[in-house]
Amino acid sequence: EMVMTQSPGTLSVSPGERATLSCRASQSVSSNLAWYQQKPGQAPRLLIYGASTRATGIPARFSGSGSGTEFTLTISSLQSEDFAVYFCQQYNTWPRTFGQGTKVEIK
Amino acid sequence: EVQLVESGGGLVQPGGSLRLSCEASGFTFSRYWMYWVRQAPGKGLVCVSRINGDGSVTTYADSVKDRFTISRDNAKNTLYLQMNSLRAEDTAVYYCARDNYALEYWGQGTLVTVSP
Repeated sequence: EMVMTQSPGTLSVSPGERATLSCRASQSVSSNLAWYQQKPGQAPRLLIYGASTRATGIPARFSGSGSGTEFTLTISSLQSEDFAVYFCQQYNTWPRTFGQGTKVEIK
Repeated sequence: EVQLVESGGGLVQPGGSLRLSCEASGFTFSRYWMYWVRQAPGKGLVCVSRINGDGSVTTYADSVKDRFTISRDNAKNTLYLQMNSLRAEDTAVYYCARDNYALEYWGQGTLVTVSP
C-alpha cells in the first residue's frame, strides 16, 4: 500500500503570510496527487488535482507543485477561512491513500 | 448543482449490520465511479470501497473485504454500502464521493458507531 507522509503535522502561520505544506509518497505516483481542505464538522473539499490543477472555484492563492514522490501545496497569503486541515491523496493505485494531514493554525 | 446526501448511519452492536445510502443529484450518476470514504473520530481519511458507473467493477480496502458490499441503483441515482460483521474499529463518519480523477464532490457524511 502506498504510504503518503505529510509534513509538518501542524503549521502556525499569521494571516497574510505564506504557508507551504509538503507531501511525500513512498513510491512514484506520477502527477496523480490531490489536495483537500477539511474544516471541523465538514466534508473534505477538493482543492488541487493532477498535482497542480486547481479545482473549480478554488482561489488562485492555492497552488500545487511536484511530481513523482515529492509534492507541495502553497497558500500564498493566508486568509481567515484557510485555517483548516489539509490532506494529500494519491490516486495512482488502489487503495487510494491519504496523508495523515497538516493542520494550519493561526499564529 | 451536484449533491450527495448520505443516510443510514447510527448505533449498532459489534457483529451487527447496517446499510448506508447516498442519494445523488445534479449530474448523470451512471457516468461516474463512486467511492465510500470513512474517517474515524479525530483521525484521517480512508478509502473503503469504490464502484464503476454500471456497477460491474468493485474494489475494497483489505480492512473491509468480505464484510462490506458496495452497490448502486442507477435508476434511483443511489449508491449503497452494506456493512456486515461490524467491529468497533469501523466506527467513523462515512462519506460518499464522486470520482473524477480525484474525489471531486463529497456528501456531508453519516456517522456509524459500533458499540455494545
